[in-house]
Amino acid sequence: DIQMTQSPSSLSASVGDRVTITCQASQDVNIFVNWFQQKPGGVPKLLIFDASNLEQGAPSRFSGSGSGTEFTFTISNLQSEDFATYYCQQYDRLVTFGPGTKVDFK
Amino acid sequence: EVRLVQSGAAVKKPGESLTISCKVSGDGFTSFWHSWVRQVPGKGLEWVGRINPTDSSVNYSPSFQGRVTMSADKSISTAFLQLSSLQASDSAMYYCARLGRHWGQGTLVTVSS
Repeated sequence: DIQMTQSPSSLSASVGDRVTITCQASQDVNIFVNWFQQKPGGVPKLLIFDASNLEQGAPSRFSGSGSGTEFTFTISNLQSEDFATYYCQQYDRLVTFGPGTKVDFK
Repeated sequence: EVRLVQSGAAVKKPGESLTISCKVSGDGFTSFWHSWVRQVPGKGLEWVGRINPTDSSVNYSPSFQGRVTMSADKSISTAFLQLSSLQASDSAMYYCARLGRHWGQGTLVTVSS
């Protein structure tokens, strides 16, 4: 099965910062990667699909890139409501989630 | 509007089996795969498997193979997750989801003697 490694596992940032999270797949997954945001007690929310497509309703400060085995998720201007945990997910062969990146206040 | 509504919280004893339902309203129940995802409190998301309600074809995570059964009843637009031989480590929130866009509210499962 395909493994997804995500880094960093956590980071501290301030409002207005640019935040980048990377995800590496153990095999080529083409562009079939989603990025999710989850807040404590909440349901995961899809932000990016097919590696780089912004989900309808998601703010444009969220973006994604990559293909094959290397993927990047960026928040360009961190807002207070963005403090949460972010997960990558591959769906090329079955489905696998990355372990998550917790973004908290510096 | 697509809505996924799951059955309520459950408390089970070790060794018992669990069934959770996920009723889908709105369009497209038979047009999409529906996944089950679990999350142990304080931990990450773990994919359990998925079902295609059109023909009830399934894919299961190797981590659950042999203990999990997924089914769907098209007449009531409902997907089901069955997990057998429960252990304390199966205590978690279980979610149904469609394409990652639509999620149920989650079902909290507690396994305790």
